[in-house]
Amino acid sequence: GAVVSQHPSWVICKSGTSVKIECRSLDFQATTMFWYRQFPKQSLMLMATSNEGSKATYEQGVEKDKFLINHASLTLSTLTVTSAHPEDSSFYICSANPSGPYNEQFFGPGTRLTVL
Amino acid sequence: QQQVKQSPQSLIVQKGGISIINCAYENTAFDYFPWYQQFPGKGPALLIAIRPDVSEKKEGRFTISFNKSAKQFSLHIMDSQPGDSATYFCAASTRGSEKLVFGKGTKLTVNP
Repeated sequence: GAVVSQHPSWVICKSGTSVKIECRSLDFQATTMFWYRQFPKQSLMLMATSNEGSKATYEQGVEKDKFLINHASLTLSTLTVTSAHPEDSSFYICSANPSGPYNEQFFGPGTRLTVL
Repeated sequence: QQQVKQSPQSLIVQKGGISIINCAYENTAFDYFPWYQQFPGKGPALLIAIRPDVSEKKEGRFTISFNKSAKQFSLHIMDSQPGDSATYFCAASTRGSEKLVFGKGTKLTVNP
């Protein structure tokens, strides 16, 4: 149980275009999902917390107009990188919490974004 | 301010040996301490977690030791195998908080 999927697993796009990444909880409902960014050989950096049916909460320094998050259902959250630039190239990972008393987060396999 | 300090940054162990990774924290409100295992190009996988009402938790070859007074917890991997070679992250969170605070990670290499 507790499987989280992401799509696509990798994407290459041209500078200035927008890219959408999907995160799905496959066998549980998640009122809360999280989006992380990870640079090579570094730890996970929380970008935002996504709550079903409400606006996402962004961490300090994360541009909410650039990284659009939508949590339309209890099993799906999307991250759209708008007007992508090469510096947005990174490994994006989502996680989902099955809503237990503790913050037990299960992670997706990640999406490698390369902006040319 | 880094709230969870993880050490060592890298670790090399021979097959069959014991791998030990340590984490220390300052926030006494933390009450959930998970460990994640991450292979290159993959998302982190929840390995084992502990809550402060116990001092040790064991699952197979993986054991978490927790020292509440010292505000430290550690991951022990017994009989380490080459397949255990990965990056390990400790984390912590407080009841009622939705966020996990991660350590910087430890790259473990188990030589055959």
